[in-house]
Amino acid sequence: QKEVEQNSGPLSVPEGAIASLNCTYSDRGSQSFFWYRQYSGKSPELIMSIYSNGDKEDGRFTAQLNKASQYVSLLIRDSQPSDSATYLCAVTRRGGYSTLTFGKGTMLLVSP
Amino acid sequence: NAGVTQTPKFQVLKTGQSMTLQCAQDMNHNSMYWYRQDPGMGLRLIYYSASEGTTDKGEVPNGYNVSRLNKREFSLRLESAAPSQTSVYFCASSGTGVIDTQYFGPGTRLTVL
Repeated sequence: QKEVEQNSGPLSVPEGAIASLNCTYSDRGSQSFFWYRQYSGKSPELIMSIYSNGDKEDGRFTAQLNKASQYVSLLIRDSQPSDSATYLCAVTRRGGYSTLTFGKGTMLLVSP
Repeated sequence: NAGVTQTPKFQVLKTGQSMTLQCAQDMNHNSMYWYRQDPGMGLRLIYYSASEGTTDKGEVPNGYNVSRLNKREFSLRLESAAPSQTSVYFCASSGTGVIDTQYFGPGTRLTVL
């Protein structure tokens, strides 16, 4: 069974700090990786996608992928109170048709 | 573009009642999905439709049926609601390109008494 594991948190960081969110996955065939942000009472929204080993940066966000270790992370630099949300990791195989497997999410709290 | 829309936003049912959750997307996506989200359980896939005319079971299909009415619309039906189906239901859609990004609707909060 494909599994995606995340620490449920909450992860508490002060404003301006770097928040580091981690995710591990069990399916070695996984090739596409996504980070979604979900505010309380709202639907998930895509923040980042990553497909190759290494880092991918987009503004204050950096996704890191290590397929050998089956590990993907999201770094949020200069964290803001508005970043307080639950972050969902999702993975899928690539090629043909496949569905996303989501982790249960990590709650991030950024204090002013 | 409205993206993915869902109706209703909230619904309260009594055990045994039936209802249909509606979902529509205007992004010309081929694939559509229904998820439920429960506290501590994350998002779990109920059913999906890879393309118009096809539907497949996900992780938790029992107690649900779906209809892919056309390319835009994908409905989820509860024939005889049970308290265990109290949840938040999300519809999502994605294209068939290399990037499998899914875009979510606003959700339906369902309570079964």
